[in-house]
Amino acid sequence: KAGVTQTPRYLIKTRGQQVTLSCSPISGHRSVSWYQQTPGQGLQFLFEYFSETQRNKGNFPGRFSGRQFSNSRSEMNVSTLELGDSALYLCASSLVNQAHEQYFGPGTRLTVT
Amino acid sequence: DAKTTQPNSMESNEEEPVHLPCNHSTISGTDYIHWYRQLPSQGPEYVIHGLTSNVNNRMASLAIAEDRKSSTLILHRATLRDAAVYYCILRDSGGTSYGKLTFGQGTILTVHP
Repeated sequence: KAGVTQTPRYLIKTRGQQVTLSCSPISGHRSVSWYQQTPGQGLQFLFEYFSETQRNKGNFPGRFSGRQFSNSRSEMNVSTLELGDSALYLCASSLVNQAHEQYFGPGTRLTVT
Repeated sequence: DAKTTQPNSMESNEEEPVHLPCNHSTISGTDYIHWYRQLPSQGPEYVIHGLTSNVNNRMASLAIAEDRKSSTLILHRATLRDAAVYYCILRDSGGTSYGKLTFGQGTILTVHP
């Protein structure tokens, strides 16, 4: 069974631009969560979707948004990029809501210049 | 979210057992104890989880103190591939945490040949 895939793997953007990252969960998984990882703040929870509904949201500004499609694929969008948004963005999927095992993708490395 | 405390780093020799401690003195009755690890240049990987009783799986064992204020992840025979950052995470299964995992700084495990 294929794992969680994230596209693109690497991305370079300019301050002020916007970016969309994509996550395809493991087949059959309905929950997708997004995390931001930086050297200074570590792994921080962004938001989680289940059956196309956002069920939980972390403490990030409104520039960070996401959505989930009917096939469980998810996208996250960051508008008006800032230098501090440079990070590894990880998504994780799980079979059902409140699952104990989450499966992480390899991440998208975003660099904002 | 209840807080966990882990040592910043630990070292082990290959083929020796490793005991990774985690303190969680403010744990609540509905908090599950999860362990994830992150190998270099990869997303986090689920290791094990438990509520009250000790747990074993193919990767590791989880020993939970009787008062649940601490736990220990046990790798029975460390290999070089076990070198990673290990995260001890509490997740409230009775609330609205859904897919949210709150990562701390974790323990950097170094395995010497």
